[in-house]
Amino acid sequence: DSGVTQTPKHLITATGQRVTLRCSPRSGDLSVYWYQQSLDQGLQFLIQYYNGEERAKGNILERFSAQQFPDLHSELNLSSLELGDSALYFCASSSATGLNRSPLHFGNGTRLTVT
Amino acid sequence: AQSVSQHNHHVILSEAASLELGCNYSYGGTVNLFWYVQYPGQHLQLLLKYFSGDPLVKGIKGFEAEFIKSKFSFNLRKPSVQWSDTAEYFCAVNPTGRDDKIIFGKGTRLHILP
Repeated sequence: DSGVTQTPKHLITATGQRVTLRCSPRSGDLSVYWYQQSLDQGLQFLIQYYNGEERAKGNILERFSAQQFPDLHSELNLSSLELGDSALYFCASSSATGLNRSPLHFGNGTRLTVT
Repeated sequence: AQSVSQHNHHVILSEAASLELGCNYSYGGTVNLFWYVQYPGQHLQLLLKYFSGDPLVKGIKGFEAEFIKSKFSFNLRKPSVQWSDTAEYFCAVNPTGRDDKIIFGKGTRLHILP
């Protein structure tokens, strides 16, 4: 068990809809990262938050947004969903001391299916 | 832009065979290097990591990797694989001091025949 909790495990929704994915980081970790994993693109970095503030953006679409709350849990919001958004979405966390002391710890992911 | 290349997308081996998975990265500065493993239906787990020092690092489950700076490579090895090693393996690179930047390769699917 990595200590990172993601809910829900599975999500099936229709095109055009909006969903929210939730992540609770490992206890003590201040950084939260979101990744999208698909068969053709591999593991793509979406966005990182550190102690409530956005720190880095990757290949995140404008239809997607995220936030990290004071209790450090994070939510990834996906709107105007398209079939191509179907993927496994991972959350990972790391400690404040940096990746060289605390590598990423991944959650089990949320599998999103857009029909 | 930084990138990570994993040359083998899909590898099939028999039990007891030796394994080497290639990983090359493009970045001019110092880096931290990682190998993660994703067993079927599970989350990614850290297999091993390199930050500095001895370029040959040992990880869990008998895996090791060697950092060759001149070749920008960090290949993963195991002398004798087991059926339970069937998984997807990801190489990742993080420029030192840049916690916001960790780049993953596209992964190598390893299938071990019993």
